[in-house]
Amino acid sequence: KQEVTQIPAALSVPEGENLVLNCSFTDSAIYNLQWFRQDPGKGLTSLLLIQSSQREQTSGRLNASLDKSSGRSTLYIAASQPGDSATYLCATESYSNYQLIWGAGTKLIIKP
Amino acid sequence: NAGVTQTPKFRVLKTGQSMTLLCAQDMNHEYMYWYRQDPGMGLRLIHYSVGEGTTAKGEAPDGYNVSRLKKQNFLLGLESAAPSQTSVYFCASSYDRATYEQYFGPGTRLTVT
Repeated sequence: KQEVTQIPAALSVPEGENLVLNCSFTDSAIYNLQWFRQDPGKGLTSLLLIQSSQREQTSGRLNASLDKSSGRSTLYIAASQPGDSATYLCATESYSNYQLIWGAGTKLIIKP
Repeated sequence: NAGVTQTPKFRVLKTGQSMTLLCAQDMNHEYMYWYRQDPGMGLRLIHYSVGEGTTAKGEAPDGYNVSRLKKQNFLLGLESAAPSQTSVYFCASSYDRATYEQYFGPGTRLTVT
């Protein structure tokens, strides 16, 4: 059974720093891996989707990498801003079903 | 486009009461999903649909039923609410399975007393 873990659960950094959020998964037979952002009291917004054949995806200041063999993905945020403060969740989808299996998220606080 | 909308936004039920949560999307998406999110945990898939008239169970289907009579709507029903169903419920939709991202509604906060 797939398990997705995100460490740390919370992270606080000063504005302007580059930072990395981690996501690990136990079953490497994934169809894709997605990173989402969740603002308090709101729904989730998809940030990046990496298909199993890809190693990374980029969108603006965000870069997500995928290493299936080691069961890891990272989300790199460059030049962090207070507006980046949110909870970031990763989720994987396996070949065998349509279900996304989610990590519990990393709560990120960017201090001005 | 409104995207994905959910009604209601908040609801308080007594144990044993029933209710229906409505999800609507205007993006002509085939796939729709219902999730629940509990504090400190990731989302769990309750039920999903791969097209009009189809439904399937996710990892946490007990105590819930769903219907997809129209492509744009996905209903989640609680026949006899229990305190364990206190949660935030999210609906999502996507055009396809793996290559397209999921779009989420704003959520429904349900409390069962």
